[in-house]
Amino acid sequence: DQQVKQNSPSLSVQEGRISILNCDYTNSMFDYFLWYKKYPAEGPTFLISISSIKDKNEDGRFTVFLNKSAKHLSLHIVPSQPGDSAVYFCAASARNNNNDMRFGAGTRLTVKP
Amino acid sequence: DAGVIQSPRHEVTEMGQEVTLRCKPISGHNSLFWYRQTMMRGLELLIYFNNNVPIDDSGMPEDRFSAKMPNASFSTLKIQPSEPRDSAVYFCASSLDRYSPLHFGNGTRLTVT
Repeated sequence: DQQVKQNSPSLSVQEGRISILNCDYTNSMFDYFLWYKKYPAEGPTFLISISSIKDKNEDGRFTVFLNKSAKHLSLHIVPSQPGDSAVYFCAASARNNNNDMRFGAGTRLTVKP
Repeated sequence: DAGVIQSPRHEVTEMGQEVTLRCKPISGHNSLFWYRQTMMRGLELLIYFNNNVPIDDSGMPEDRFSAKMPNASFSTLKIQPSEPRDSAVYFCASSLDRYSPLHFGNGTRLTVT
C-alpha cells in the first residue's frame, strides 16, 4: 500500500522559473518528511527535511512546505537550474513508531536552459 | 568517510540461481535499510534493521527473499531462487539514528534472465 504518493511522474520547467514538486501521504503517524534527489546510476541523496512541528523549512533555493491537515507537502526550487534535473523522491517516517522510511514513486524534473 | 558501499554494482544471472547482494553501512550508523526500485513501484522498503536486529520485514516480497545483518558493518540480501520479475535496482541505506536522514549506496542493478 502506497502511504506516500507522488502523483506527477514528470515535470518540465524553464531555467530561472520555480519548480514545485508535490507529495501526499496517508499515514497520520508520520512526523518527519524528507526530499531526496537522485541522478542516474547513483543512490538518492538527502536534500531537505521538515519535522511535523513546522510548516516550512528553507535551505537556499529549496523550500519545503508541510500542510498537516491536508497531509500534503511540497518542494519549491527557485530559481531552477539545469543541474537540478533529476528524480525527486518524497519520503516520510514515524520516528516515534518503528521509524521505517517510506518513499513515493518519484517525480522526474527537467529544467530546460 | 566512504559512504554506504554496495557490491556488486551489476549482477546478471539466470532464473533459478541464488543471488547475494552485499552492503557495508557507514561506520557508527545504527539503522540499515534495504530498498528496491522499479519503474512501476518506485522505491519500496524491503526490510529495516536497528542495531543489527530486523525491525520490519513486511516489505520482503516472499520467502525467496532473506536478509541478514551479522554485525554492525555488514548486511546481505539473498534471493533464492531468483526470477525475472526480481530484476530491479536494489539500494542499501543507513542512518545514524531515527532522527537522521538516510544515506544511500549507489545500488546493485540486478538482471535475471
